[in-house]
This record gives sequence, C-alpha cells and structure tokens, in this order.
Amino acid sequence: KNEVEQSPQNLTAQEGEFITINCSYSVGISALHWLQQHPGGGIVSLFMLSSGKKKHGRLIATINIQEKHSSLHITASHPRDSAVYICAAPNTGNQFYFGTGTSLTVIP
Amino acid sequence: KAGVTQTPRYLIKTRGQQVTLSCSPISGHRSVSWYQQTPGQGLQFLFEYFSETQRNKGNFPGRFSGRQFSNSRSEMNVSTLELGDSALYLCASRSAGFSGNTIYFGEGSWLTVV
Repeated sequence: KNEVEQSPQNLTAQEGEFITINCSYSVGISALHWLQQHPGGGIVSLFMLSSGKKKHGRLIATINIQEKHSSLHITASHPRDSAVYICAAPNTGNQFYFGTGTSLTVIP
Repeated sequence: KAGVTQTPRYLIKTRGQQVTLSCSPISGHRSVSWYQQTPGQGLQFLFEYFSETQRNKGNFPGRFSGRQFSNSRSEMNVSTLELGDSALYLCASRSAGFSGNTIYFGEGSWLTVV
C-alpha cells in the first residue's frame, strides 16, 4: 500500500467546471503539500497546509488531520490549469512521500 | 531572488558511465533534497541534505550518492548507469529542514541512458 493515495489519476473537465482532487495519506505528517507540474517538468508548490483550509485565487486546499485526507479544489477551471497535480506528505523524518499525481485537462 | 537552479538540463549517457548533477538552492536555503521522477514510479525521494549532512535517504541503491557543500550547493552522482536510471531528476530547497516549510523545486535534469 502506498503511503499517499491520490484520486482520480486522470481528469478531463470543461472550462468553468469545479474540480476536486483527493489525497489520502497514512504517514504521520506535520504538513501536506500540493504541487503542480506543467509539461516540461517544472514543479511549483501550490499549498502547504497543516490544518483547515487555504485559498489562493481560484484554488482551495483543505485538510482533515484526523481523517488523514486532503482535497484540492479548482473553481471556474481554465485551460491554463491543465497540469499534473501531486500531493506530497513528508513524514516526521522529513522524508517526502508522493501521490501518483492527477493529470488534469481542461477543455475550452 | 533567483530560484533553484539545476544543471545540466538535458544529458545523454551510456550504460555503465557515471553522471553528476548539480543543484544551486535559493540563497539562504540550507536544505536540499533530490527526487527521481519516472513515468512508471512517479516521484520518489532520493535523499536530503541539511548543512552538509545527509539527513534522510530513500530506498535507492548505493550507486546513487550525493553531497552538499558549505555554500549549500549540492551534487548528486549516479555511478554505473543503467537504462532504468533514465528519468527526470529534481532538486528542491527549503529555508530550514522542517518539513512544514514551503519547498521550491528546480526545473530538473533530464537524464537519458542509452
């Protein structure tokens, strides 16, 4: 069993749709990270959260520490949101475990 | 502030050779970690260095090694390359070793082993 499970693996949405990506983890963590990777390889950290909810523009991330679950929401999705979204859970020893990623395609 | 810089961006090596990849972290960041990304395995943690000391190591063979210099720049080395080592190698830096700090990734080094 992977330490971090992410779903769905692939997601296609029409522009404007509300999108949810889920992440469940089994390791004990101090914070969970949501990453975005565009074609070409570069990875950007979107959120780092240890409790509650964070919002940045059209992106919202939530985490439930008791249930070991986090979600990434994209409101009013846009084609430029097309990317791979990865959740990462560092354990208390600073070792990062990664979800397999969700490949999102937003169609105009 | 300059981001995380990795060199080279692309390289092709032959089986059996060795390769050294370089990573310059964001100025002031003391933690540098390395990751391998392949289509089949996704992102996997290689190791982390903090103040020139390796603090964590992932589940990779001893052919994968690294080091960190006093200026926080880091190198990773892969010896006796195998075809399966073809991957995107990413490094990331954080201001401190605490996993709750935001992590910044470089653009990666694409390694192809032929």
